[in-house]
Amino acid sequence: EAGVTQSPTHLIKTRGQQATLRCSPISGHTSVYWYQQALGLGLQFLLWYDEGEERNRGNFPPRFSGRQFPNYSSELNVNALELEDSALYLCASSTGLAGPNEQFFGPGTRLTVL
Amino acid sequence: AQSVSQHNHHVILSEAASLELGCNYSYGGTVNLFWYVQYPGQHLQLLLKYFSGDPLVKGIKGFEAEFIKSKFSFNLRKPSVQWSDTAEYFCAVNPRSNDYKLSFGAGTTVTVRA
Repeated sequence: EAGVTQSPTHLIKTRGQQATLRCSPISGHTSVYWYQQALGLGLQFLLWYDEGEERNRGNFPPRFSGRQFPNYSSELNVNALELEDSALYLCASSTGLAGPNEQFFGPGTRLTVL
Repeated sequence: AQSVSQHNHHVILSEAASLELGCNYSYGGTVNLFWYVQYPGQHLQLLLKYFSGDPLVKGIKGFEAEFIKSKFSFNLRKPSVQWSDTAEYFCAVNPRSNDYKLSFGAGTTVTVRA
């Protein structure tokens, strides 16, 4: 069974640009979660999507946004990039509200903002 | 504010030593509890989880954790570590409600010396 996949593996952008990160959940999972793992700040919850709807968002500015597609894959968009957005962005998936909250993580996208 | 605390930032052990990593949380209600591990160069993997029932849970690779409700703790243990246990360990908590986001501790880096 394929795990959670994320693309790209690495992304280099400059300040002010926009970044788009993608995630494909495990087959059968309807929930997708995004987390930021920044140096010194640990893992911080960003967004949760289930069945195409945003269910919750963490304490991040509105320039962090995303969406979930009908096939349950998801995009995370970061607008007006700032240097402090440099981090590893992790996507996780679970069976959603219908099942236990056991989240499986992907390998992450390393975003570097220059 | 609700939080998850991991007491040790970095632990260094010799092979065959016993390991115990502390985790405390500050949520007042019923929670789901998790330990994740991130081996060097790999993505986050679930070590073990507690949803309900026996407060002593066993996970993969010989790890176990004990949920002590009165102490708001979920400590991770392994009787005899191996060099391959070198990794970063994260405690995570999810309040058992419709909010499925995980709140993570800062992580503990465990280095096992051969």
